[in-house]
Amino acid sequence: DTEVTQTPKHLVMGMTNKKSLKCEQHMGHRAMYWYKQKAKKPPELMFVYSYEKLSINESVPSRFSPECPNSSLLNLHLHALQPEDSALYLCASSQEGTSGGRETQYFGPGTRLLVL
Amino acid sequence: GENVGLHLPTLSVQEGDNSIINCAYSNSASDYFIWYKQESGKGPQFIIDIRSNMDKRQGQRVTVLLNKTVKHLSLQIAATQPGDSAVYFCAENRGPGGTSYGKLTFGQGTILTVHP
Repeated sequence: DTEVTQTPKHLVMGMTNKKSLKCEQHMGHRAMYWYKQKAKKPPELMFVYSYEKLSINESVPSRFSPECPNSSLLNLHLHALQPEDSALYLCASSQEGTSGGRETQYFGPGTRLLVL
Repeated sequence: GENVGLHLPTLSVQEGDNSIINCAYSNSASDYFIWYKQESGKGPQFIIDIRSNMDKRQGQRVTVLLNKTVKHLSLQIAATQPGDSAVYFCAENRGPGGTSYGKLTFGQGTILTVHP
């Protein structure tokens, strides 16, 4: 089983709203990732969690707040977003390893976010 | 500088033909590459990977070739089918050494269209 699930599939929010994106995996992976993908562009890394600790923040604005409550769950809390934040938000996970991070990342289907 | 990119943004083939998608990279220290397939409305799906100690790797109907001399890799799809129509991304995993997580950098993507 290489499934990563994400909810909701679609989300429309206003600039003053607070919402959360959820990601779940039951593969025992200890690294989880958030990516942002704009239309007709490749995914871009936002955050990396390793063993439930934030390991990488790619200079993401503070209106995006990640959270990793346990090894299976990853959240992305959204607050005061801008229309340009509209995108597909992808979650991924990979198993722990000793190859310097050279383990396959498995992606979820994404949440398509529209900010009005 | 460090860059992973693709030569052709679009590729159109007839069903049954073989397809070749190319990718160039500029970081000679890169040692792990992955090909992903992304269908419309879905997250990237792992196809095949290759490490720098290999020149060729084969999967089911797919082959990845790595030429370290010219910093080029390619994805070959045999007997292309309409279901292969998607965007194909090459990605470089530059996880920090000794860590248990990776850091994917994607190329710009190639749109493959297979005509029946």
